[in-house]
Amino acid sequence: SQTIHQWPATLVQPVGSPLSLECTVEGTSNPNLYWYRQAAGRGLQLLFYSIGIDQISSEVPQNLSASRPQDRQFILSSKKLLLSDSGFYLCAWSQVGYEQYFGPGTRLTVT
Amino acid sequence: QQPVQSPQAVILREGEDAVINCSSSKALYSVHWYRQKHGEAPVFLMILLKGGEQKGHEKISASFNEKKQQSSLYLTASQLSYSGTYFCGTALNAGGTSYGKLTFGQGTILTVHP
Repeated sequence: SQTIHQWPATLVQPVGSPLSLECTVEGTSNPNLYWYRQAAGRGLQLLFYSIGIDQISSEVPQNLSASRPQDRQFILSSKKLLLSDSGFYLCAWSQVGYEQYFGPGTRLTVT
Repeated sequence: QQPVQSPQAVILREGEDAVINCSSSKALYSVHWYRQKHGEAPVFLMILLKGGEQKGHEKISASFNEKKQQSSLYLTASQLSYSGTYFCGTALNAGGTSYGKLTFGQGTILTVHP
């Protein structure tokens, strides 16, 4: 069966510090991968999606970036965090045309 | 464009029924439904594809009206465990340039009381 992992589970970072969130998927090959952000009490905002290694599309211009160095690994990064970057970050995977499955998420607080 | 969900919130007593709607202004390929408990990740409930049949799972079922580009989620004989925020996600096509990406509605908060 397929499993999706995210770490860390929670993170508190000061403004201006760098960020690296990691997501890995097990039990499937060549998945589509997605990064979402959810502000408190809000909906799901798609940040990036990827159809393959080094193939990444950005949905919202911001100070975040994403990379996919391996087939089942997806990384979300920032060089300098802003207060507005706080939120619940969710990674998801799917096969094309099918449902998405979410990881457990990383709760980021920028202070 | 973000699909519109209605109502924004529903309060039920155990055993009551509820309907949550999701409408889009664009032609859809599929509609996905998710439930999210507070502090947790969304959990997939079901997917409805263009031209497909109404889906059901125990006491939760859904329909997709292709003419109206609207989907409805039906929760019958609600249980306490049904409480959470329900999101619909819409896809314009299966692959191609959109790569199956979803646009989510703003969510419907469902609260079930004993």
